[in-house]
Amino acid sequence: GAVVSQHPSRVICKSGTSVKIECRSLDFQATTMFWYRQFPKQSLMLMATSNEGSKATYEQGVEKDKFLINHASLTLSTLTVTSAHPEDSSFYICSAWSSGGGDTQYFGPGTRLTVL
Amino acid sequence: AQSVTQLGSHVSVSEGALVLLRCNYSSSVPPYLFWYVQYPNQGLQLLLKYTTGATLVKGINGFEAEFKKSETSFHLTKPSAHMSDAAEYFCAVTYTGGGNKLTFGTGTQLKVEL
Repeated sequence: GAVVSQHPSRVICKSGTSVKIECRSLDFQATTMFWYRQFPKQSLMLMATSNEGSKATYEQGVEKDKFLINHASLTLSTLTVTSAHPEDSSFYICSAWSSGGGDTQYFGPGTRLTVL
Repeated sequence: AQSVTQLGSHVSVSEGALVLLRCNYSSSVPPYLFWYVQYPNQGLQLLLKYTTGATLVKGINGFEAEFKKSETSFHLTKPSAHMSDAAEYFCAVTYTGGGNKLTFGTGTQLKVEL
């Protein structure tokens, strides 16, 4: 199956700093990438939808100025958490979808962000 | 609007016993339904999906699910549980024209005991 990678897998940062998370589709071109947030013992909540070459579409309640998304190519999307605070600590998961790949989203392994 | 309900946040079975994880959906249009599995500190792995056609779908690791429109259900089953099946399971729904946005259920933690 299709492979999606995320980097880094874990990151610890100080409050007030920015953190960038990369999501890559390794063996296919992703028309769309999705970013999710998952709190402990909870389900995935969609944060935003990212289409290559266009602005991301954010879900209601997600601050677009805080969670900057860039989808510069068909294989790479980045999520930057700006001025991170402890409440931003979470598990961030991306997924990728290809228009030629049917209806399936392929998920990355996730990034554990801890803000001190 | 779509929604997914997973009954039972925790399910415990004995090794070798039947696994049944329940999922009910709500959708005003024909749904596409998915089951994903998540191991600790990992992303989601697709177990199986239903889009159109045969309502009984078989997935990886011996899992299968049946789409029942009349019951708006898509329950996940496996005849014989294995210790390695212990994980979190998520049911999700989307639909044609939905921009491929998935709506997830709250998840079911499966525990397999000796």
